[in-house]
Amino acid sequence: QQPVQSPQAVILREGEDAVINCSSSKALYSVHWYRQKHGEAPVFLMILLKGGEQKGHEKISASFNEKKQQSSLYLTASQLSYSGTYFCGTYGAGSYQLTFGKGTKLSVIP
Amino acid sequence: NAGVTQTPKFRILKIGQSMTLQCTQDMNHNYMYWYRQDPGMGLKLIYYSVGAGITDKGEVPNGYNVSRSTTEDFPLRLELAAPSQTSVYFCASSYSRGGAGEETQYFGPGTRLLVL
Repeated sequence: QQPVQSPQAVILREGEDAVINCSSSKALYSVHWYRQKHGEAPVFLMILLKGGEQKGHEKISASFNEKKQQSSLYLTASQLSYSGTYFCGTYGAGSYQLTFGKGTKLSVIP
Repeated sequence: NAGVTQTPKFRILKIGQSMTLQCTQDMNHNYMYWYRQDPGMGLKLIYYSVGAGITDKGEVPNGYNVSRSTTEDFPLRLELAAPSQTSVYFCASSYSRGGAGEETQYFGPGTRLLVL
């Protein structure tokens, strides 16, 4: 099943913080986060693995609650370059398929 | 490294026509994927491959076919184009020693397809 992301859209002023959430109804092995700017390909941000290991971006943090099958992406002190659509993708145990959510559109304004 | 390359960038097809979307990666990745992206719907997996000669269906495979004869190339074939196949198509690749869920997927720039 497709993970559910919230909010669908958010507008921030430069310097403000944001949290994007991703939840799944199935047991997860890992959660991936990508950012996509308009007309471009998705770009990797972070992977969170079951068991607590994280791989990815130095300036962006995320959490993974294995019991609740939820992940959150934390964007602090937002910059104009953070604007774009953020997607979470989830892998079930033993799966080869990354299932993406519908995305969260983040707009950072001066 | 060029990474993942896709051709063409944009194509208009008439209903019933066929075409092949090309995807090549030069990172020696064993896994490759095809996604389609419709507005507001995220990315949906069409087909994937875990190595040369091995392919499998994803979430939305109907109307598409794939083959993988080499590590580098993973073409996607549309046999009888329909308006419902109007979308942006992304190819991606990753390298996995074991579970697919631990590795980054690298995406190509996409092919925009319009079926009229």
